[in-house]
Amino acid sequence: DIQMTQSPSYLSASVGDRVTITCQASQGVRHYLNWYQQKPGKAPNLLIYEASNLETGVPSRFSGSGFGTNFTFTINSLQPEDIATYYCQQYENMPLTFGGGTKVDFK
Amino acid sequence: QVQIQQWGAGLVKPSETLSLTCGVDAESFRGYFWSWVRQPPGKGLEWIGQINHSGSTYYNPSLKSRATISADTSTNQFSLKLNSATAADTAIYFCVRWGSRTPGFDYWGQGTRVTVSS
Repeated sequence: DIQMTQSPSYLSASVGDRVTITCQASQGVRHYLNWYQQKPGKAPNLLIYEASNLETGVPSRFSGSGFGTNFTFTINSLQPEDIATYYCQQYENMPLTFGGGTKVDFK
Repeated sequence: QVQIQQWGAGLVKPSETLSLTCGVDAESFRGYFWSWVRQPPGKGLEWIGQINHSGSTYYNPSLKSRATISADTSTNQFSLKLNSATAADTAIYFCVRWGSRTPGFDYWGQGTRVTVSS
């Protein structure tokens, strides 16, 4: 199985801050990497697909980059509604696997 | 908008079979891969397995062959059965669609909380 390692597992930031999360794959996944946002008590929501493509309706302050084993997810100018847990997920190989999650909270 | 409803027993006894069903509107069912994903309390996401409308399946080997996913195309429903349940199977279970235009889990069911306990 491809292991997905996210860091940090928790971060606190202020409104307007730039937030960066990294995701490292145990082997290359090319660009087959997605990012999801999960708010408490809700199902996850797809934000970024194929490492860098913004899903329809997702605000442009969210972005993703990377290829192979190292990926980055960025929120430019954190907003109150962005408080959530974020997960990366690879689909290069079966089984599909997720990172452990990064909880983003306010300072 | 894709309509997804999921249901099933919220309490399962250890060693018994966990059983959940997901119903989808007809237009959204065909031509897609449908998966089950679970989330233990306070933890991350685990993919269980998938099925397409023709019945082809793939499972996460971590479930050690305990999982069975089946589909009924006449009712646009698909089901998960997980036998020999243990406390480690306590989780919220989601049925999820893998998109065609966007290669990701684009539509999620509301989730069903399942507790394995005597």
